[in-house]
Amino acid sequence: DAGVIQSPRHEVTEMGQEVTLRCKPISGHNSLFWYRQTMMRGLELLIYFNNNVPIDDSGMPEDRFSAKMPNASFSTLKIQPSEPRDSAVYFCASSFTSFSEAFFGQGTRLTVV
Amino acid sequence: RKEVEQDPGPFNVPEGATVAFNCTYSNSASQSFFWYRQDCRKEPKLLMSVYSSGNEDGRFTAQLNRASQYISLLIRDSKLSDSATYLCVVNSGGNTGKLIFGQGTTLQVKP
Repeated sequence: DAGVIQSPRHEVTEMGQEVTLRCKPISGHNSLFWYRQTMMRGLELLIYFNNNVPIDDSGMPEDRFSAKMPNASFSTLKIQPSEPRDSAVYFCASSFTSFSEAFFGQGTRLTVV
Repeated sequence: RKEVEQDPGPFNVPEGATVAFNCTYSNSASQSFFWYRQDCRKEPKLLMSVYSSGNEDGRFTAQLNRASQYISLLIRDSKLSDSATYLCVVNSGGNTGKLIFGQGTTLQVKP
């Protein structure tokens, strides 16, 4: 298996633009997580899905952020409109069950200028 | 109070030293515990799971104290290649699998 695949690896965009981050979890994994990492705040859980259903989105910063998981093999995290303070590394991770370890993608490094 | 707390360090130790990290968690219903390692500009990777009875993997030993709600990681005979950030991870409880990460502890092993 190729592991968790995220795209793009790097994204530079202007303030106000829409940004879409993509994730393909490991086949057969039932849980999918979106995290954001910054130096100041560390790894923050934004939202996670179980069997394609959003379970907890309390970590989503505000209405500008939205996430979807239309099927078991694909998820998106969208920021509209983007702001400079959204600049961070965004990680997607998946796990086989609710209690097992999560495997991470390589992340998307987002810079909003 | 944060759900998972770690001393951010940095811990600067010489090669061959033994170093220990602790982590506390707030949700007593938590059921799964892990240590992850993260290298600079890389994704976190699983180092080891933490079991109630304690477990060892080579130079690494992890322990769980449910009564005091803390987890520890011991690294013996540290190597230069052990330099990284070590993240404590806790499943927040219930059957929903919410994995919460600590801020991480930075270890720098020096020659």
